[in-house]
Amino acid sequence: GAGVSQSPRYKVAKRGQDVALRCDPISGHVSLFWYQQALGQGPEFLTYFQNEAQLDKSGLPSDRFFAERPEGSVSTLKIQRTQQEDSAVYLCASSHGTSGKTDTQYFGPGTRLTVL
Amino acid sequence: AQSVAQPEDQVNVAEGNPLTVKCTYSVSGNPYLFWYVQYPNRGLQFLLKYITGDNLVKGSYGFEAEFNKSQTSFHLKKPSALVSDSALYFCAVRPLQAGTALIFGKGTTLSVSS
Repeated sequence: GAGVSQSPRYKVAKRGQDVALRCDPISGHVSLFWYQQALGQGPEFLTYFQNEAQLDKSGLPSDRFFAERPEGSVSTLKIQRTQQEDSAVYLCASSHGTSGKTDTQYFGPGTRLTVL
Repeated sequence: AQSVAQPEDQVNVAEGNPLTVKCTYSVSGNPYLFWYVQYPNRGLQFLLKYITGDNLVKGSYGFEAEFNKSQTSFHLKKPSALVSDSALYFCAVRPLQAGTALIFGKGTTLSVSS
Protein backbone atom coordinates (compact mmCIF):
# COMPACT_ATOMS: atom_id res chain seq x y z
CA GLY A 1 0.00 0.00 0.00
CA ALA A 2 1.02 3.58 0.51
CA GLY A 3 4.22 4.49 2.26
CA VAL A 4 4.69 5.89 5.73
CA SER A 5 2.87 9.18 6.18
CA GLN A 6 3.40 11.85 8.80
CA SER A 7 1.46 14.91 9.83
CA PRO A 8 1.80 17.75 10.06
CA ARG A 9 4.69 18.19 7.67
CA TYR A 10 5.64 21.48 9.32
CA LYS A 11 4.95 22.71 12.82
CA VAL A 12 5.90 26.00 14.41
CA ALA A 13 5.52 26.21 18.17
CA LYS A 14 6.25 28.86 20.73
CA ARG A 15 8.59 27.80 23.48
CA GLY A 16 6.62 26.12 26.23
CA GLN A 17 3.83 24.83 24.01
CA ASP A 18 2.96 21.17 23.71
CA VAL A 19 3.03 19.50 20.28
CA ALA A 20 1.79 16.19 18.91
CA LEU A 21 3.25 14.57 15.82
CA ARG A 22 1.45 11.76 14.02
CA CYS A 23 2.77 8.78 12.11
CA ASP A 24 0.80 6.36 9.92
CA PRO A 25 2.99 3.35 9.19
CA ILE A 26 2.76 1.08 6.19
CA SER A 27 -0.30 -1.15 6.61
CA GLY A 28 0.57 -4.40 8.35
CA HIS A 29 3.95 -3.28 9.59
CA VAL A 30 4.55 -4.49 13.10
CA SER A 31 7.54 -2.37 14.05
CA LEU A 32 7.56 1.41 14.29
CA PHE A 33 10.46 3.74 15.05
CA TRP A 34 10.86 7.44 15.80
CA TYR A 35 14.07 9.32 14.99
CA GLN A 36 15.14 12.92 15.49
CA GLN A 37 17.24 14.61 12.80
CA ALA A 38 18.91 17.87 13.73
CA LEU A 39 20.07 20.22 11.00
CA GLY A 40 23.14 18.87 9.23
CA GLN A 41 23.12 15.62 11.19
CA GLY A 42 22.03 12.06 10.66
CA PRO A 43 18.86 10.76 12.28
CA GLU A 44 19.13 9.70 15.91
CA PHE A 45 16.96 7.00 17.44
CA LEU A 46 14.26 7.99 19.89
CA THR A 47 11.98 5.02 20.48
CA TYR A 48 10.72 1.70 19.10
CA PHE A 49 7.34 -0.05 19.17
CA GLN A 50 6.45 -3.59 18.36
CA ASN A 51 2.69 -3.51 17.80
CA GLU A 52 1.39 -1.47 20.75
CA ALA A 53 4.29 -2.28 23.06
CA GLN A 54 7.02 0.28 23.49
CA LEU A 55 10.06 -1.96 23.70
CA ASP A 56 12.81 0.64 23.66
CA LYS A 57 12.63 4.28 24.67
CA SER A 58 16.28 4.71 25.44
CA GLY A 59 16.72 7.52 22.93
CA LEU A 60 14.09 9.87 24.29
CA PRO A 61 16.09 12.93 25.41
CA SER A 62 13.96 13.88 28.39
CA ASP A 63 10.71 13.13 30.18
CA ARG A 64 9.11 15.87 28.09
CA PHE A 65 9.06 13.39 25.21
CA PHE A 66 6.34 10.76 25.17
CA ALA A 67 5.28 8.33 22.45
CA GLU A 68 2.36 5.97 22.13
CA ARG A 69 0.87 3.49 19.70
CA PRO A 70 -2.30 2.37 21.48
CA GLU A 71 -3.79 0.13 18.79
CA GLY A 72 -0.58 -1.05 17.19
CA SER A 73 -0.96 1.11 14.11
CA VAL A 74 -0.87 4.92 14.23
CA SER A 75 1.68 6.42 16.57
CA THR A 76 1.91 9.83 18.18
CA LEU A 77 5.04 11.52 19.48
CA LYS A 78 4.24 14.20 22.01
CA ILE A 79 6.63 16.85 23.22
CA GLN A 80 5.61 18.84 26.26
CA ARG A 81 6.85 22.33 27.11
CA THR A 82 8.87 22.59 23.90
CA GLN A 83 12.33 24.12 24.01
CA GLN A 84 14.39 25.63 21.20
CA GLU A 85 16.71 22.63 21.23
CA ASP A 86 13.74 20.48 20.23
CA SER A 87 13.77 22.09 16.79
CA ALA A 88 14.50 19.28 14.33
CA VAL A 89 12.92 16.98 11.78
CA TYR A 90 11.13 14.06 13.39
CA LEU A 91 11.15 10.96 11.26
CA CYS A 92 8.95 7.93 11.61
CA ALA A 93 9.87 4.55 10.13
CA SER A 94 8.14 1.20 10.00
CA SER A 95 9.25 -2.32 9.20
CA HIS A 96 7.34 -5.48 8.50
CA GLY A 97 8.62 -8.06 10.91
CA THR A 98 9.21 -8.50 14.59
CA SER A 99 12.87 -9.43 14.51
CA GLY A 100 13.81 -5.84 13.91
CA LYS A 101 17.44 -6.48 13.22
CA THR A 102 17.42 -7.50 9.58
CA ASP A 103 14.21 -5.83 8.50
CA THR A 104 14.42 -2.78 6.29
CA GLN A 105 13.01 0.36 7.89
CA TYR A 106 10.91 2.52 5.57
CA PHE A 107 10.79 6.19 6.43
CA GLY A 108 8.12 8.83 6.22
CA PRO A 109 8.75 12.38 4.94
CA GLY A 110 9.19 13.73 8.45
CA THR A 111 7.74 16.59 10.46
CA ARG A 112 9.88 19.70 10.65
CA LEU A 113 9.41 21.26 14.10
CA THR A 114 10.54 24.80 14.70
CA VAL A 115 10.37 26.14 18.25
CA LEU A 116 10.51 29.91 18.53
CA ALA B 1 31.11 3.78 21.61
CA GLN B 2 29.39 2.50 18.49
CA SER B 3 29.54 4.91 15.59
CA VAL B 4 29.44 5.43 11.86
CA ALA B 5 31.77 7.76 10.00
CA GLN B 6 31.22 9.32 6.63
CA PRO B 7 34.53 11.14 6.17
CA GLU B 8 33.43 13.34 3.27
CA ASP B 9 30.79 16.03 3.74
CA GLN B 10 30.53 16.41 -0.02
CA VAL B 11 31.50 14.40 -3.09
CA ASN B 12 31.56 15.98 -6.53
CA VAL B 13 31.59 13.92 -9.72
CA ALA B 14 30.87 14.51 -13.37
CA GLU B 15 27.96 12.76 -15.00
CA GLY B 16 29.03 9.43 -16.48
CA ASN B 17 31.97 9.02 -14.12
CA PRO B 18 32.06 6.40 -11.37
CA LEU B 19 31.19 7.54 -7.87
CA THR B 20 32.14 6.36 -4.40
CA VAL B 21 30.66 7.53 -1.11
CA LYS B 22 32.67 6.29 1.84
CA CYS B 23 31.47 4.80 5.10
CA THR B 24 33.35 3.23 7.98
CA TYR B 25 31.92 1.90 11.21
CA SER B 26 32.99 1.11 14.71
CA VAL B 27 30.79 -1.43 16.44
CA SER B 28 31.33 -4.54 18.47
CA GLY B 29 30.82 -7.71 16.48
CA ASN B 30 29.44 -7.91 12.98
CA PRO B 31 26.80 -5.33 12.13
CA TYR B 32 24.01 -5.14 9.64
CA LEU B 33 24.74 -2.28 7.20
CA PHE B 34 22.42 0.01 5.26
CA TRP B 35 22.51 2.89 2.80
CA TYR B 36 19.71 5.44 2.49
CA VAL B 37 19.30 8.48 0.23
CA GLN B 38 17.46 11.68 1.15
CA TYR B 39 16.11 14.14 -1.38
CA PRO B 40 15.11 17.68 -0.27
CA ASN B 41 11.96 17.77 1.84
CA ARG B 42 11.55 14.04 1.56
CA GLY B 43 12.19 11.17 3.90
CA LEU B 44 14.96 8.63 3.69
CA GLN B 45 14.70 6.15 0.86
CA PHE B 46 16.24 2.71 1.25
CA LEU B 47 18.97 1.84 -1.26
CA LEU B 48 20.53 -1.42 -0.09
CA LYS B 49 21.61 -3.48 2.88
CA TYR B 50 24.19 -6.05 3.87
CA ILE B 51 23.07 -8.78 6.20
CA THR B 52 25.27 -11.76 5.36
CA GLY B 53 26.74 -13.57 2.38
CA ASP B 54 28.35 -11.96 -0.65
CA ASN B 55 30.33 -8.89 0.30
CA LEU B 56 29.12 -7.02 -2.80
CA VAL B 57 25.52 -5.94 -2.45
CA LYS B 58 23.46 -4.56 -5.32
CA GLY B 59 20.62 -2.18 -4.67
CA SER B 60 18.22 0.29 -6.20
CA TYR B 61 18.99 2.71 -9.07
CA GLY B 62 22.21 0.92 -10.05
CA PHE B 63 23.94 1.44 -6.72
CA GLU B 64 26.08 -1.18 -5.06
CA ALA B 65 28.14 -1.38 -1.89
CA GLU B 66 31.05 -3.50 -0.77
CA PHE B 67 31.36 -4.79 2.77
CA ASN B 68 34.98 -5.02 3.90
CA LYS B 69 35.25 -6.59 7.33
CA SER B 70 38.99 -6.03 7.78
CA GLN B 71 38.68 -2.34 6.99
CA THR B 72 35.27 -2.02 8.70
CA SER B 73 33.98 -0.22 5.64
CA PHE B 74 30.82 -0.26 3.54
CA HIS B 75 31.44 2.14 0.64
CA LEU B 76 28.62 2.99 -1.75
CA LYS B 77 29.46 2.87 -5.45
CA LYS B 78 27.92 3.39 -8.86
CA PRO B 79 29.73 2.79 -12.18
CA SER B 80 28.21 5.78 -13.98
CA ALA B 81 26.75 8.75 -12.12
CA LEU B 82 23.60 10.59 -13.19
CA VAL B 83 22.69 14.19 -12.42
CA SER B 84 19.56 12.81 -10.76
CA ASP B 85 21.76 10.97 -8.25
CA SER B 86 22.53 14.30 -6.60
CA ALA B 87 21.22 13.99 -3.04
CA LEU B 88 22.22 13.40 0.58
CA TYR B 89 23.40 9.86 1.34
CA PHE B 90 23.39 8.23 4.75
CA CYS B 91 25.18 5.10 5.88
CA ALA B 92 23.66 3.28 8.85
CA VAL B 93 24.56 0.27 10.97
CA ARG B 94 22.66 -1.92 13.35
CA PRO B 95 24.95 -3.81 15.72
CA LEU B 96 24.12 -7.47 16.08
CA GLN B 97 24.28 -7.36 19.83
CA ALA B 98 22.30 -4.18 20.29
CA GLY B 99 18.66 -3.29 19.86
CA THR B 100 16.79 -2.53 16.71
CA ALA B 101 17.80 1.10 16.29
CA LEU B 102 19.85 2.22 13.34
CA ILE B 103 22.98 4.28 14.00
CA PHE B 104 23.46 6.82 11.21
CA GLY B 105 26.44 8.70 9.89
CA LYS B 106 26.26 12.45 9.40
CA GLY B 107 25.58 12.10 5.71
CA THR B 108 27.44 12.91 2.49
CA THR B 109 26.12 15.28 -0.12
CA LEU B 110 26.65 13.94 -3.62
CA SER B 111 26.71 16.51 -6.41
CA VAL B 112 26.76 15.25 -9.98
CA SER B 113 27.49 17.86 -12.64
CA SER B 114 26.41 17.63 -16.25
